[in-house]
Amino acid sequence: GQNIDQPTEMTATEGAIVQINCTYQTSGFNGLFWYQQHAGEAPTFLSYNVLDGLEEKGRFSSFLSRSKGYSYLLLKELQMKDSASYLCAVSLNQAGTALIFGKGTTLSVSS
Amino acid sequence: GAVVSQHPSWVICKSGTSVKIECRSLDFQATTMFWYRQFPKQSLMLMATSNEGSKATYEQGVEKDKFLINHASLTLSTLTVTSAHPEDSSFYICSARVKEEWMNEKLFFGSGTQLSVL
Repeated sequence: GQNIDQPTEMTATEGAIVQINCTYQTSGFNGLFWYQQHAGEAPTFLSYNVLDGLEEKGRFSSFLSRSKGYSYLLLKELQMKDSASYLCAVSLNQAGTALIFGKGTTLSVSS
Repeated sequence: GAVVSQHPSWVICKSGTSVKIECRSLDFQATTMFWYRQFPKQSLMLMATSNEGSKATYEQGVEKDKFLINHASLTLSTLTVTSAHPEDSSFYICSARVKEEWMNEKLFFGSGTQLSVL
């Protein structure tokens, strides 16, 4: 079966840095996505990794290690608006299979 | 980026009625669209893959006769919840896959439909 694990909840304060980890065991791998989802809204795309290494995009960075089945999303200079659920998702293959999502990590940012 | 329009945003219906949810790709052609449902504090669960001009592929445990999917054109997919019951109350989200040159593939999501069945 497919398994994607990420912590259920995390808390942090404004201005801090937080790292959300994701581990996966899947039958295939065609890239790993991170999405941000505010309550009652659809997910929005944050990052995509298909090769090992770190991808930086402003305050958000994402890292992937395919050999370890591991990824993390790093959020810097946290703001209150970053309070949301962060979903890790693995694309199993290119030929027609959709993403398999983790259960999401709810991040609460306090002042 | 690509835009996926989904409506209605929310719907309240009586038990036993049918509800249709539409998902449109506004500025691109989507040969494949995906339908998810999400319960409170849970992740998105794939229900079915909708392919233009052919039958949808349903995930295990999803009743294809209850959740009717039609993908009649390259820009429109519909999900009809037939004979809805309170347990069908959920957040339904569609997404479309776009292949870009610099990225293998990328999903764009609709805004979601909150269905409440009384």
